[in-house]
Amino acid sequence: QVQLQESGPRLVKPSETLSLTCTVSGGSITNYYWSWIRQSAGGGLEWIGRVYPSGSTNYNPSLKSRVAMSIDTSKRQFSLRLSSVTAADTAVYYCVRDEVTSANFFDYWGQGNMVTVSS
Amino acid sequence: DIQLTQSPSPLSASVGDTVTITCRASQSISTYLNWYQQRPGQAPRLLIYATSSLHSGVPPKFSGSGSGTDFTLTIHSLQPEDFATYYCQQSYDQPRTFGQGTRVDLK
Repeated sequence: QVQLQESGPRLVKPSETLSLTCTVSGGSITNYYWSWIRQSAGGGLEWIGRVYPSGSTNYNPSLKSRVAMSIDTSKRQFSLRLSSVTAADTAVYYCVRDEVTSANFFDYWGQGNMVTVSS
Repeated sequence: DIQLTQSPSPLSASVGDTVTITCRASQSISTYLNWYQQRPGQAPRLLIYATSSLHSGVPPKFSGSGSGTDFTLTIHSLQPEDFATYYCQQSYDQPRTFGQGTRVDLK
């Protein structure tokens, strides 16, 4: 059974960089894209971007200037860095498996890591 | 970005009801439309992908249809565990986008 687990700080100061890591257990890490999605207190879901095992990435243009994603297949981990955070970045951050065969969908989700941006 | 608009929101229903949620896209997305269920305190869970394909382990009480810009999710015989928020999501174009969600609550 595929399982994803986010790890990282729950509190980040404004203007600093948010860093999260996702550890994947079960299943292959090399045949899928791996995405980050966040959910604000209002409930809206926002796709942040994705990384492929080759290291190639796609980012949401709304966040592209502040986002960097990476992957370490040997550790079965992928990571998110979001720089220059503000209160608007306060959200639950999910790491997600991104199935990209003939269809494309998010089929496995981590439990979420609540990140608050505050001084 | 492709905008997805869900209706109604919220949706009040009773146990045993059959309900339909609509998702409208701002442009044609063929059948690249997925549906997720989110219960309070949990991560979203994939229900249906590519408009009408049931994800593994999802009961057939859930069904989806549509194409182009108009899509529906139907839930038959609502049970207590089905009272949750439902989101549509398009995978036609980058960036991937979600609808605002439809909360199904107890009438």
